[in-house]
Amino acid sequence: EDQVTQSPEALRLQEGESSSLNCSYTVSGLRGLFWYRQDPGKGPEFLFTLYSAGEEKEKERLKATLTKKESFLHITAPKPEDSATYLCAVQARQAGTALIFGKGTTLSVSS
Amino acid sequence: KAGVTQTPRYLIKTRGQQVTLSCSPISGHRSVSWYQQTPGQGLQFLFEYFSETQRNKGNFPGRFSGRQFSNSRSEMNVSTLELGDSALYLCASSLDSPATNEKLFFGSGTQLSVL
Repeated sequence: EDQVTQSPEALRLQEGESSSLNCSYTVSGLRGLFWYRQDPGKGPEFLFTLYSAGEEKEKERLKATLTKKESFLHITAPKPEDSATYLCAVQARQAGTALIFGKGTTLSVSS
Repeated sequence: KAGVTQTPRYLIKTRGQQVTLSCSPISGHRSVSWYQQTPGQGLQFLFEYFSETQRNKGNFPGRFSGRQFSNSRSEMNVSTLELGDSALYLCASSLDSPATNEKLFFGSGTQLSVL
């Protein structure tokens, strides 16, 4: 069964304290792995797509990496405005167009 | 450019009623997907429409249905509401079918409460 597990469920950081979020997945044929950010009361906002092991993508203080079994979202020197829930999702070849989401990591950054 | 618009924003219904939710995708986008988000299950795929045709369907009962119009606007309907249907229903659009790995643009959702 295709599934996505994110850890930790919640993470509290001080401003400037770097850390990583984990996304472990099992999927029968990965078509793509996606990272989204969701703020309270809003829909998810796209961050990155990764397609193959070894791929990396960066955007401001965020960097996403991918291996054959997991993905990491590295947050360097976070700021309070980075506080949000970060969602990982996979698209499996056999699942067609559907995204399979993890339950997310809620990040809180305090100044 | 306007984003994905979902109406209504909040909805309260009672068990046994039916409900229709509406979604207007970003102009020019032809694919619309629907997801259900609950605290316990997270986001779960409901269905996807592309050029007025249902391209994919998730593992939900037949009480959940949808359609897409020629202008790409989409509606989803839930009949015979149950308490467990209380959730945030999210609509997402993309330029082409998500099968091409295009990123999804989500609306802010409709929060449905079933009493």
